[in-house]
Parts: sequence; structure tokens; C-alpha cells
Amino acid sequence: DTGVSQNPRHKITKRGQNVTFRCDPISEHNRLYWYRQTLGQGPEFLTYFQNEAQLEKSRLLSDRFSAERPKGSFSTLEIQRTEQGDSAMYLCASSSRIGKGGTDTQYFGPGTRLTVL
Amino acid sequence: AQSVTQLDSQVPVFEEAPVELRCNYSSSVSVYLFWYVQYPNQGLQLLLKYLSGSTLVESINGFEAEFNKSQTSFHLRKPSVHISDTAEYFCAVSASGGYQKVTFGTGTKLQVIP
Repeated sequence: DTGVSQNPRHKITKRGQNVTFRCDPISEHNRLYWYRQTLGQGPEFLTYFQNEAQLEKSRLLSDRFSAERPKGSFSTLEIQRTEQGDSAMYLCASSSRIGKGGTDTQYFGPGTRLTVL
Repeated sequence: AQSVTQLDSQVPVFEEAPVELRCNYSSSVSVYLFWYVQYPNQGLQLLLKYLSGSTLVESINGFEAEFNKSQTSFHLRKPSVHISDTAEYFCAVSASGGYQKVTFGTGTKLQVIP
């Protein structure tokens, strides 16, 4: 397995346009996370899926943001009516708890860098 | 809720010198602790983690971190740094047990000077 992959790696868009990012987790991982990272900051949690169910959403995830994981495998993050403040690196991570008491270590993809002009 | 403080935003160090990157956390429950490294224009890579047991954890590339519950710290150390260690390092914490949201610090940029 080659790890978590994200596409595209870079996206430049004009303010007001919609964008969609894709994340393919490690194949045996049932948990998937989205984070946002702005310059000079650590990643900030956006949302979490267990299989296809979205179980937690951060207050950072405004109504313009929507995430899906329709078949419990890949996930998409859509931003509608983008704003300049949406410019950031969007990171996806996946994990799987192995066995009783196992850890839930998250493994990250390379990210999608969004620039809103 | 948990929080993480990384006290230094940038740490310059000469090649082959030792380095310590500081991390303090706050939590009212038991925690897991992580260090991630991010090379330029790349995603985060797990460097090492503390889950339970021995308070000293090591990575494969010579880094180590020690969990100090009384000091609520998880400082990262390396006795001799290489140019290739130049990167940004993030300390992270989650509550222990099952799925828990991971909270990251603001990162420390390690710059190794030849």
C-alpha cells in the first residue's frame, strides 16, 4: 500500500467558484479525517468519518463546506463559493484501530494546496 | 478538551549539534502524544508516538521523546542533527482510547546550519 493519496495537489481558483478535493485513504483504514492548515499554524480538525458515517464536524466547517464518503472508501471535500480566507492546505488522514486497546494513529496524505484569488 | 503548546516557533542549530524541541500539553484525561514532521511542500509524517508503557519513545532516525506526566511535557530530542532533519515538527495530543480528535501545536521549524 502506498499510503494516503490526495488529488489534486494544487488548486488555484477564483473567488466564488466551487472546488472539490479527493482523498483516498490507506485501503484497510475505516477512519478518515480532514484537516486544514494555514501558513504558520498546525493542522486544524475539520471532520471525521467512520466508514461512510460522518461522526464529527468542527465549527470551522461552515455551511459552504461539505464532505462525503459514500462507500466508506474515498472521500471528497467540496467548498462552495470560495473565499480568499479558504486559501490553505487541506490535509486528509486515515487510521484504523487494530485490536482491543489498539491505537488510532493517523497517517496523513500530502495535502491539497488551495489558492483563492 | 486538549491543547498543545510548542514554545519555540524556530530553532536554528548547527549540524551535528544536539537539539531539543519543546512541547507541553494540557488535558484533564489520559492522553496519547505524537510528534509529526513536515518537510517542505509535503504532508505530515508520523515521527514517534507515546501510547502507554515506557515513557521514552524512539524513532528510527535517531529522535526520541520522553513523556513526563508531572511536567505535562513531551519534548523531542536528537543528540546529533543532520542537514536532512531540516523541517517543521508538530507535537500533537489526543485523549486516549478509541477515536479521539487530534489537536496539533503550532509547529517548530528546525533549521540545521551546515
